[in-house]
Amino acid sequence: DTGVSQDPRHKITKRGQNVTFRCDPISEHNRLYWYRQTLGQGPEFLTYFQNEAQLEKSRLLSDRFSAERPKGSFSTLEIQRTEQGDSAMYFCASSLGLTGGRDTQYFGPGTRLTVL
Amino acid sequence: DAKTTQPNSMESNEEEPVHLPCNHSTISGTDYIHWYRQLPSQGPEYVIHGLTSNVNNRMASLAIAEDRKSSTLILHRATLRDAAVYYCILRDASGAGSYQLTFGKGTKLSVIP
Repeated sequence: DTGVSQDPRHKITKRGQNVTFRCDPISEHNRLYWYRQTLGQGPEFLTYFQNEAQLEKSRLLSDRFSAERPKGSFSTLEIQRTEQGDSAMYFCASSLGLTGGRDTQYFGPGTRLTVL
Repeated sequence: DAKTTQPNSMESNEEEPVHLPCNHSTISGTDYIHWYRQLPSQGPEYVIHGLTSNVNNRMASLAIAEDRKSSTLILHRATLRDAAVYYCILRDASGAGSYQLTFGKGTKLSVIP
């Protein structure tokens, strides 16, 4: 399977702990995105990378959140000092980076975070 | 990205065609119309996109109104696997907009056996 993969698929943690999620995009894709989805809502954009450069961050991405994409390959999303409000599905997506509005994103299966 | 409006939910009988509407009255001339869907407990999945002309692919058809203020996603024969939330999203082709996808609440499609 050459789709987007995410690890872990589920994470349960206690409030105040740090967690880290990993995303492996489709190999030839140079753009990588992180989204968060809470129950009953559509996914919300968090941040995106063009190769290794983080080019855009949402206001949702508080100081407790940090994302990296070393060498423009896999990416990690770390949440420090987790809060119960961080409980959500976290999706990673990747795309080729086509110009204009034709670029399509391919999503991973997501990581479900539960903060107790 | 410009705003879209979709019905909250729709129902269809299995093996019948489904027409999912989307209004985007503030669409600009450079906006592409994209559709994604999200099956239960899965990540969103790209379905189809278009700019002005109607588009077909193996999953669906996209019919775009002549004034581009609305569009319709057509599933020709709904199957139980098509039960999902369908999102209509506008993407700015000018290069000035963000690369993010802005999801609304979408339309929850139920397929009745």
